[in-house]
Amino acid sequence: DAGITQSPRHKVTETGTPVTLRCHQTENHRYMYWYRQDPGHGLRLIHYSYGVKDTDKGEVSDGYSVSRSKTEDFLLTLESATSSQTSVYFCAISGGQGKTQYFGPGTRLLVL
Amino acid sequence: AQRVTQPEKLLSVFKGAPVELKCNYSYSGSPELFWYVQYSRQRLQLLLRHISRESIKGFTADLNKGETSFHLKKPFAQEEDSAMYYCALNFGNEKLTFGTGTRLTIIP
Repeated sequence: DAGITQSPRHKVTETGTPVTLRCHQTENHRYMYWYRQDPGHGLRLIHYSYGVKDTDKGEVSDGYSVSRSKTEDFLLTLESATSSQTSVYFCAISGGQGKTQYFGPGTRLLVL
Repeated sequence: AQRVTQPEKLLSVFKGAPVELKCNYSYSGSPELFWYVQYSRQRLQLLLRHISRESIKGFTADLNKGETSFHLKKPFAQEEDSAMYYCALNFGNEKLTFGTGTRLTIIP
């Protein structure tokens, strides 16, 4: 596996609380991505980053924000968690356009 | 609009039988195409990409530009092939667009 870790791996939280998920890579790849995986929807891109402090929205970005202050770390924040954000979240990294994306182990988030 | 379609949510195949997982796309250009596999509660792993023309774990995929398809095939299914399979396309930028996935179950 590529050097990608995610923390926490599992989290249970209550509606209305903020939640931050962390993705850490040791590959020095420029691009990092956050996806959510839901039955019937496959993987959908939330946000991605193309460099330190450079981020852009994906197709399901509402309710999420991201930050990347270092090459190796990409944080996903749910400002005020809702039950519809219960999902499995995957981080991915890539060396460039058209190149293979490598995935982290995922974080299972349950919002009660 | 650029789109990736995997028409089968579920597919069951007997061990030893041929497997074909369908993937269709809508795009007028030449996309980069990938198949990813996810075994039970594990991370997604790259299975193959069309540009490399490799055969991984006995799977192959051929790009058919006329039919805009990139179906995944294996001549003889094995029990360890049971997994979730995702087709993904890169439409000339830094993002991947994924299909909704097909859950393949191999019946012993």
